[in-house]
Amino acid sequence: DGGITQSPKYLFRKEGQNVTLSCEQNLNHDAMYWYRQDPGQGLRLIYYSQIVNDFQKGDIAEGYSVSREKKESFPLTVTSAQKNPTAFYLCASSNPRTGGATDTQYFGPGTRLTVL
Amino acid sequence: QKEVEQNSGPLSVPEGAIASLNCTYSDRGSQSFFWYRQYSGKSPELIMFIYSNGDKEDGRFTAQLNKASQYVSLLIRDSQPSDSATYLCAVKESTLGRLYFGRGTQLTVWP
Repeated sequence: DGGITQSPKYLFRKEGQNVTLSCEQNLNHDAMYWYRQDPGQGLRLIYYSQIVNDFQKGDIAEGYSVSREKKESFPLTVTSAQKNPTAFYLCASSNPRTGGATDTQYFGPGTRLTVL
Repeated sequence: QKEVEQNSGPLSVPEGAIASLNCTYSDRGSQSFFWYRQYSGKSPELIMFIYSNGDKEDGRFTAQLNKASQYVSLLIRDSQPSDSATYLCAVKESTLGRLYFGRGTQLTVWP
């Protein structure tokens, strides 16, 4: 059963605490992405990775960190430096080698993070 | 910063009507355009993509692209209450290939 999994579904963080959101895919996709969505807003790109051991900052990378040690996994750490982390976090993956126009991103179910 | 603009709505149509969702974009070099549907509290799911000027049909959905006007739209024919969701327009950037998303249009189809 191929797809993208994210865990946990809900996460609560105390102020000053780092937390890590998990994203795993078994679609054999090269590229993976992290987005943040706030109520009534579109998706904003945090980080993306087009290949193992390489990643780039998106539009709102401050206060976040990532790693890409395996093709299947792209965890996101929300650090204490992120002052307003309460949001819905979405992980996506795609396969750029299928061809530029049809390089479609597919999303995991998301993690809802709340700061207490 | 690439811009993708959508009417935020809400758009409300009766069951059986045609719902028309619009999107404009600023990057003239963009080649690929995507429509996602997002139910409340859920993640986006792909409805269609389009990369050639003109219309592309898939069941009740039709995507329309006009690159000269930098405009892409989604038509939903015979709208159903189950179509009630937020529709996100996404544009693939011409250089790095990343997606830029609009804020979404909230659609309500009433019985």
